[in-house]
Amino acid sequence: GENVEQHPSTLSVQEGDSAVIKCTYSDSASNYFPWYKQELGKGPQLIIDIRSNVGEKKDQRIAVTLNKTAKHFSLHITETQPEDSAVYFCAAPPNTNAGKSTFGDGTTLTVKP
Amino acid sequence: EPEVTQTPSHQVTQMGQEVILRCVPISNHLYFYWYRQILGQKVEFLVSFYNNEISEKSEIFDDQFSVERPDGSNFTLKIRSTKLEDSAMYFCASRVGKGETQYFGPGTRLLVL
Repeated sequence: GENVEQHPSTLSVQEGDSAVIKCTYSDSASNYFPWYKQELGKGPQLIIDIRSNVGEKKDQRIAVTLNKTAKHFSLHITETQPEDSAVYFCAAPPNTNAGKSTFGDGTTLTVKP
Repeated sequence: EPEVTQTPSHQVTQMGQEVILRCVPISNHLYFYWYRQILGQKVEFLVSFYNNEISEKSEIFDDQFSVERPDGSNFTLKIRSTKLEDSAMYFCASRVGKGETQYFGPGTRLLVL
């Protein structure tokens, strides 16, 4: 099955700095890579995703880059704000009908004002 | 915007009791999932459901667990005889098709005493 590794497990930055979280995956057939943000007591919410036919996607302060050769994808948050503080999960669903998502272990991001 | 809903938001039960967790997926979605998250840990896949049958299940999803889509809108997870270690947040998710985004519900916090 798919194996997803996420680093770092915790990340603390000053407000305004950038944050980068990286995930590696094992299944070469994976072609869709979402990032979820989970706030305390809530379910994971999709914040950005990328498909394997592009190398980068940007949405305001959030971007995701994908390196299919190396089998890793990264979340980039620029100009961080305190409300960005949350747990971030990457996921790698295989390209199958079941399409269950294998989640990374999560990164707890703390943005200090 | 359509969303996945779950009830109840919290459930407290005695060990050995049966619980049913309910979910209403997004109406045009075809794939349904249950995940769980033990406090402080990552989101773990339990089961996927498509075309009125289980597509895939994890080793966590043993004989004590079952899923049903009884009426075309609800999607339920039943735990027949709860154990202390079943205490967790349970998330329902759905998606419209293969390779598409999974949308998560807000979760049900289950506490087994």
